[in-house]
Amino acid sequence: GQQVMQIPQYQHVQEGEDFTTYCNSSTTLSNIQWYKQRPGGHPVFLIQLVKSGEVKKQKRLTFQFGEAKKNSSLHITATQTTDVGTYFCAGPGGSQGNLIFGKGTKLSVKP
Amino acid sequence: SAVISQKPSRDICQRGTSLTIQCQVDSQVTMMFWYRQQPGQSLTLIATANQGSEATYESGFVIDKFPISRPNLTFSTLTVSNMSPEDSSIYLCSVEQGVNTEAFFGQGTRLTVV
Repeated sequence: GQQVMQIPQYQHVQEGEDFTTYCNSSTTLSNIQWYKQRPGGHPVFLIQLVKSGEVKKQKRLTFQFGEAKKNSSLHITATQTTDVGTYFCAGPGGSQGNLIFGKGTKLSVKP
Repeated sequence: SAVISQKPSRDICQRGTSLTIQCQVDSQVTMMFWYRQQPGQSLTLIATANQGSEATYESGFVIDKFPISRPNLTFSTLTVSNMSPEDSSIYLCSVEQGVNTEAFFGQGTRLTVV
């Protein structure tokens, strides 16, 4: 079945450093979504990318969707302690119409 | 958007007992899902709660262990039956208002079985 792979699993950065997490799918995706889960919280939707090569920005966050629509990345510029959490990518394709989630990248930021 | 109220937020239960988790949505939604998230792990789909019919379970999850109710388009329950310590996890309900749309999650139920 479809798989969504995400790396790295963990990332520890100093506040002010940049951070990137990468997502790869075994199949072409019609779209990809990104979620953030704060410690002790639930996943919260960040963005959806639909078009090949699409780039979207939200303040310090930059999201990219690959030309082949099989990979995506989330880049955070100048991390802050408020960026702490686990970032998940998710693609459609579950057998029940559900999303398939990557394993997530847990970001910790040292002040 | 959709706002989901999930309860209980956490519980500590004795092995062999059952816990029922409830999710109430502020709007009618067709697609409602139940996920399990073990500590530090990703989300694993347990089942899809279908209104008016039996839930559809993923491989590795069975109705006897995780019975689900979906009496209407705004409400669902998941029961974790005959619990063991291996069932200790976070359980999340989620809704999607259409195919290929964003998912909204309840606050999660943090279950510890002792």
